[in-house]
Parts: sequence; structure tokens; C-alpha cells
Amino acid sequence: DSGVTQTPKHLITATGQRVTLRCSPRSGDLSVYWYQQSLDQGLQFLIQYYNGEERAKGNILERFSAQQFPDLHSELNLSSLELGDSALYFCASSVDAGLNEQFFGPGTRLTVL
Amino acid sequence: GNSVTQMEGPVTLSEEAFLTINCTYTATGYPSLFWYVQYPGEGLQLLLKATKADDKGSNKGFEATYRKETTSFHLEKGSVQVSDSAVYFCALSDQGAQKLVFGQGTRLTINP
Repeated sequence: DSGVTQTPKHLITATGQRVTLRCSPRSGDLSVYWYQQSLDQGLQFLIQYYNGEERAKGNILERFSAQQFPDLHSELNLSSLELGDSALYFCASSVDAGLNEQFFGPGTRLTVL
Repeated sequence: GNSVTQMEGPVTLSEEAFLTINCTYTATGYPSLFWYVQYPGEGLQLLLKATKADDKGSNKGFEATYRKETTSFHLEKGSVQVSDSAVYFCALSDQGAQKLVFGQGTRLTINP
């Protein structure tokens, strides 16, 4: 158990819908990262937040957005969903904004029908 | 940009066999290198890391040496077990963007 929690574990929805994925980092970690794992793209970095502020952005679509709240939990919002958004979404946390060890949550499996 | 290339999978071995999973990278600067493991139905776990050239990371019988001259970080284990069956990811730290860049993953299956 990494100490990073993600909810829900599974999510099934329809095209065009909007969903919110939630992540709670390990106690004491200030940085949260979101990654997408799909069969064709592999594991791709989406976005990083540090202590409530956006710190780095990767291959995140404009239909996707994220935020980190004062209690340090983070949410990833995915809207106007397409079939190709079906993937495993992982959250990871680290103690600070530098490249220290990242601890991964168990992931949320999103299926868009 | 920075990238990581892993050997194609899947890899199937018998128990107690020697394992090598190749990993090469392209990067500017001096990245840290990592191996992560993903067991079925779980998130990624850090297996080992190396932060500078010639460092050797090791954990649970696995080893990898940071080779700057060949830009490689191959994963090795002398005697694999059935419990080592998982997907293994090589990754590097992109210091500019403060993110991990992953290889495509190698699925390893160990048969008893």
C-alpha cells in the first residue's frame, strides 16, 4: 500500500459525459501528478500540482482539467468524453516539487462506451 | 525530447532463469533513472533507482547500472521467481518538466 488513494476504482460512462477522478496523496506529500495509461499511448504524464499550484503540464487535452485543494487532495476532470479516453488514470505523489520518488495510487479504470 | 526505449515484450521465462530487460534512453542533461513494477490490478511501485552515472540500483534481487556511455539502464535478476511476474517500466526524470518519462513497459511471465 503506497498511501495514495484514488476513487473510484472503476468508472463506466458514455461518450459526451463528464467525470471527476479523485486522489488523496500520502500524508505529508505536497506534490501530486496525474498519468494516463492506455494500450496505444503507454504511460503518459498529464499534469503536476504542488501545494495547490499547477507546476508542470504534459500531454493533457484541453477537455481535461485538474486542481489541487487546500487539503492537498486533487481532482482530475474529464469532459466531452470520447471512446479514446478509456484508460487507467494514475495519481502519484511526492514529498516536494523536485524529482523525488513518486508513490503511485492503484488507479481509476475509465471505460467510455 | 527525452525518451525511453524498452525491449519488446512479452517475455516468458522458467523459474530460476536469468533475467535481462533492456532499457536505453535519450536525454539532455543528467536524468535520474528508475525501474517501476506493476503487479496485476495494482499501481506502479518503485523497484530501484540510480541518480548518477555508474550508480547501481538494487532491490529484491534486481539490479540495474546507470551507463552513461551507452545510455542504458538494463534490469537484471539472477534467478527469477513466479512472483516476479508483472509489467516492468523503465523511466527517467525529466528535470526540466519535473515529470517521469516512461518506456512502453515489458510484460514478464515466469512459469513454474
